[in-house]
Amino acid sequence: DAKTTQPTSMDCAEGRAANLPCNHSTISGNEYVYWYRQIHSQGPQYIIHGLKNNETNEMASLIITEDRKSSTLILPHATLRDTAVYYCTTEGNRDDKIIFGKGTRLHILP
Amino acid sequence: NAGVTQTPKFQVLKTGQSMTLQCAQDMNHEYMSWYRQDPGMGLRLIHYSVGAGITDQGEVPNGYNVSRSTTEDFPLRLLSAAPSQTSVYFCASTEGTGSSYEQYFGPGTRLTVT
Repeated sequence: DAKTTQPTSMDCAEGRAANLPCNHSTISGNEYVYWYRQIHSQGPQYIIHGLKNNETNEMASLIITEDRKSSTLILPHATLRDTAVYYCTTEGNRDDKIIFGKGTRLHILP
Repeated sequence: NAGVTQTPKFQVLKTGQSMTLQCAQDMNHEYMSWYRQDPGMGLRLIHYSVGAGITDQGEVPNGYNVSRSTTEDFPLRLLSAAPSQTSVYFCASTEGTGSSYEQYFGPGTRLTVT
């Protein structure tokens, strides 16, 4: 079973911030939180990852709670091109299986 | 630098036929994996490999074999295709530096078994 849970779908108005939550309550101390997205039927694309500090890059921001049991991916100004399925995973030891859940289908509304 | 490449892009098989899905990466990544994705579903891990000569099972390994004779290649074999194996197959490789393992995915192979 996936080690993360996410809402099945979310809507966000174009130009607004999209906040996608992920629950990873069983995360262990050495595991990072990773976010990927899959646009239409393409291969998933890496977005961002973090351990315990908040992270930001050119695509998104990642906010991880202090207890590390949940996180939020923030797309600051959503565009129609951000319509995709967003996956949250946790990865630690490099010999671990990398398991994806069903992700959140994000719809950006014009 | 081509990244992760997969061939073929599309394939139609009859039940009982065998075939190999090819995956190659030119990034010298040690970790590679195969996922399948069914309509409306997420990615399910089939097999993975942490280096040449080492493979292990994922969530849904039945009906699939893998081998890893080189760092670059990680083929997925279907020995006797079944309609339940109709799916989109993604190969991925992982850049492992320290504790950080960003995955790079290929474009996918769309397989239909009739």
